[in-house]
Amino acid sequence: AQSVSQHNHHVILSEAASLELGCNYSYGGTVNLFWYVQYPGQHLQLLLKYFSGDPLVKGIKGFEAEFIKSKFSFNLRKPSVQWSDTAEYFCAVTSYSGAGSYQLTFGKGTKLSVIP
Amino acid sequence: DVKVTQSSRYLVKRTGEKVFLECVQDMDHENMFWYRQDPGLGLRLIYFSYDVKMKEKGDIPEGYSVSREKKERFSLILESASTNQTSMYLCASSFQPGQQTATNEKLFFGSGTQLSVL
Repeated sequence: AQSVSQHNHHVILSEAASLELGCNYSYGGTVNLFWYVQYPGQHLQLLLKYFSGDPLVKGIKGFEAEFIKSKFSFNLRKPSVQWSDTAEYFCAVTSYSGAGSYQLTFGKGTKLSVIP
Repeated sequence: DVKVTQSSRYLVKRTGEKVFLECVQDMDHENMFWYRQDPGLGLRLIYFSYDVKMKEKGDIPEGYSVSREKKERFSLILESASTNQTSMYLCASSFQPGQQTATNEKLFFGSGTQLSVL
């Protein structure tokens, strides 16, 4: 079965610091990769996704992620975080089941706290 | 905008009660999902459905069942609620893959139902 690992449970940064959140997955075949964000009190939203092509993908709010196939990784980055980036971040990977359907497997999440 | 609506934001039930969590989406999506979200464990898939009356077990189906009688509605059922089922339950929906559009694999989430089982 597919698994997704997020290395850090809780990250605390000061404003303007750079961010990198690690994500590794286990599936060896073709994957689609996602980062979702959940702001306090809100529902999950898509931050960015990778399907094919350029392995460096840019998402909303200045976030980007790099797919490194040889390392089975899809790390999320932002050069300079803001207090409003305080949220929980989830990495997810698509796997395909029988009958043409699919599911997303999520990592356990990384809580980011940005201190003003 | 796609809307995924979960019928209750907060729910309190007693041990042994039968609990229904309802989810409705308005975008004619084929796929619907039920996840639970627990601190430190992230999101875990309970069940998903890729068509009316079709369902597949996710990672943690024990103690749950689902119903998909109509395309827009996906119900999660706790036959006999237990305290370890206290959690935030999230419903999501998406189009079927293979429609040649990358955006189709985006999941749309409801706001969640916080269930407490006493």
